[in-house]
Amino acid sequence: DIQMTQSPSSLSASVGDRVTITCRASQTINSYLNWYQQKPGKAPELLIYAESILQSGVPSRFSGRGSGTDFTLTISGLQPEDFATYYCQQSYSPPFTFGPGTKVDIK
Amino acid sequence: EVQLLESGGGLVQPGGSLRLSCVASGFPFNTYAMSWVRQAPGKGLEWVSGISGSGGSTFYADSVKGRFSISRDNSKNTLYLQMNRLRAEDTAVYYCAKTSVVVPSVMQGVWFAPWGQGTLVTVSS
Repeated sequence: DIQMTQSPSSLSASVGDRVTITCRASQTINSYLNWYQQKPGKAPELLIYAESILQSGVPSRFSGRGSGTDFTLTISGLQPEDFATYYCQQSYSPPFTFGPGTKVDIK
Repeated sequence: EVQLLESGGGLVQPGGSLRLSCVASGFPFNTYAMSWVRQAPGKGLEWVSGISGSGGSTFYADSVKGRFSISRDNSKNTLYLQMNRLRAEDTAVYYCAKTSVVVPSVMQGVWFAPWGQGTLVTVSS
């Protein structure tokens, strides 16, 4: 199975900050990498699929890049509604493993 | 608007069985793969199982293979997860998710959107 890691596991940031979360796969997954946002008590929501394609309705301050094994999610200009937990997920082959999550909270 | 509504969760004893349902609306159900993803209390996300639009191909996580069975009834726009021989570690919120697939033949390049609101399964004596 492909293992996914994320760093950091948590971070504190202020509104307006630029935030970058890193995700690494245990083997190459080409660009088959997705990002989700989850707020407490809610279902996850897709932000980015296929490494860099923004899901419809997602603000353009979210961006993704990378390939192979190393990927990043960047939030350019953190907004109050962005405080949440973020998960990466590989879609190269089943089982479709998720990273352990990165919690972004208010500094 | 796409809507997914799960049901069937509850309290069950170890070794017991439960069947989850997910009723879909707002999209051509039979043309989309579907998946189940779970989240144990306070933990991260774990993909459980996926099924092709026709129902002809199914996929499972190793942790549930041989115990869980995914199926769908396209005439009822409903996805199912039959869970047998349940264990304490199966305790989680179970989400169904509409699944887009780039390469359906090998279930490659998938993403989950949207997700249902989830149904809680608690396995305890």
